[in-house]
Amino acid sequence: EAAVTQSPRSKVAVTGGKVTLSCHQTNNHDYMYWYRQDTGHGLRLIHYSYVADSTEKGDIPDGYKASRPSQENFSLILELASLSQTAVYFCASLGTINQAPLFGEGTRLSVL
Amino acid sequence: QQQVRQSPQSLTVWEGETAILNCSYEDSTFNYFPWYQQFPGEGPALLISIRSVSDKKEDGRFTIFFNKREKKLSLHITDSQPGDSATYFCAADRGSALGRLHFGAGTQLIVIP
Repeated sequence: EAAVTQSPRSKVAVTGGKVTLSCHQTNNHDYMYWYRQDTGHGLRLIHYSYVADSTEKGDIPDGYKASRPSQENFSLILELASLSQTAVYFCASLGTINQAPLFGEGTRLSVL
Repeated sequence: QQQVRQSPQSLTVWEGETAILNCSYEDSTFNYFPWYQQFPGEGPALLISIRSVSDKKEDGRFTIFFNKREKKLSLHITDSQPGDSATYFCAADRGSALGRLHFGAGTQLIVIP
């Protein structure tokens, strides 16, 4: 069964600290995405990747880095976490363009 | 600038009624529109989708109506059930954009038994 697994499911971080969110898919999908969800804003694209060892900026990349070391794994990195980055983060994967990405269950991040 | 807009923000219906969720978009190059259903604490899950070459897509109690000229869509949920209570997101994609979706802010649907 197709799945996207995110870890951790929740995290509390301190302002200025480094945070790494991980995503793993076993769907053999080439495309992977990181979205951020804030109340009243839907989901917004942070970074995405269409091949291992390559990442692209999405619509709101500032303050975030991404890493795609393999087809299966895609990480989101906050080098210096800030209060404004408190949100729920979703990873998604996609096998064929113009289809609907499959989402993970999310990581709730609180920056204090 | 929000490229995809949804209304209403919140909708309450009685069990058995038809819920109508609206979506509009700005960019005429969007050609694929998935609707996602999200329950609290879970990720969005694909509910139903439509391509711009069609004006209607039906899947059980869920139907999308699409008006390309007006750049509007609507999701109709007939015979609404309490289990349909969730947040619904309309999203839009251009085939050339490598799967990058633009989401609306969502409609929270509450179905009262």
